[in-house]
Amino acid sequence: GAGVSQTPSNKVTEKGKYVELRCDPISGHTALYWYRQSLGQGPEFLIYFQGTGAADDSGLPNDRFFAVRPEGSVSTLKIQRTERGDSAVYLCASSFGGRDSYEQYFGPGTRLTVT
Amino acid sequence: LAKTTQPISMDSYEGQEVNITCSHNNIATNDYITWYQQFPSQGPRFIIQGYKTKVTNEVASLFIPADRKSSTLSLPRVSLSDTAVYYCLVGDNSNYQLIWGAGTKLIIKP
Repeated sequence: GAGVSQTPSNKVTEKGKYVELRCDPISGHTALYWYRQSLGQGPEFLIYFQGTGAADDSGLPNDRFFAVRPEGSVSTLKIQRTERGDSAVYLCASSFGGRDSYEQYFGPGTRLTVT
Repeated sequence: LAKTTQPISMDSYEGQEVNITCSHNNIATNDYITWYQQFPSQGPRFIIQGYKTKVTNEVASLFIPADRKSSTLSLPRVSLSDTAVYYCLVGDNSNYQLIWGAGTKLIIKP
């Protein structure tokens, strides 16, 4: 079946601009996660959705970052006033969200470059 | 901060068994141990998860001693395509969050 998809695969933007990154999770997965990953490092947690609500947004670095999942499926990560330090690969993952399972299915990521 | 410690890198050869050990001295009663694999330009892929003793699937085995302060991922008969970064994570069963370290870069040589 279809896996997690993310669009765009690459995004180059100028400092100060607004960007939206989209994630299409696996159908039926109630849990959705956003991470970002810098070169040579593991993924860094940003936000976790259970259904439509953000169950944990403690990883969002500041108020320029915001994410939504209005219908409990597709999610959009929004970054305002981008800075060069926001350059990274942004990963989305989904899971069934059941207890005692940490099996998350990751998308290929969106590589964001802020010039 | 990552709750685990693992080697930065390891080398091995095709056909060998590879064991990657991870330390998690502060593991809590509710925590599970999970391993992921990541190839360049791809998202991580779940390999295996366990709580205690031994877990085996078609890809790997996970050995967890009784004190659960460490775990060992065992990859049988590796091939060149097993070259990847392997992450050991401890999952908090109270909030299901995973905290990622830098992982172990495994290089398999012919």
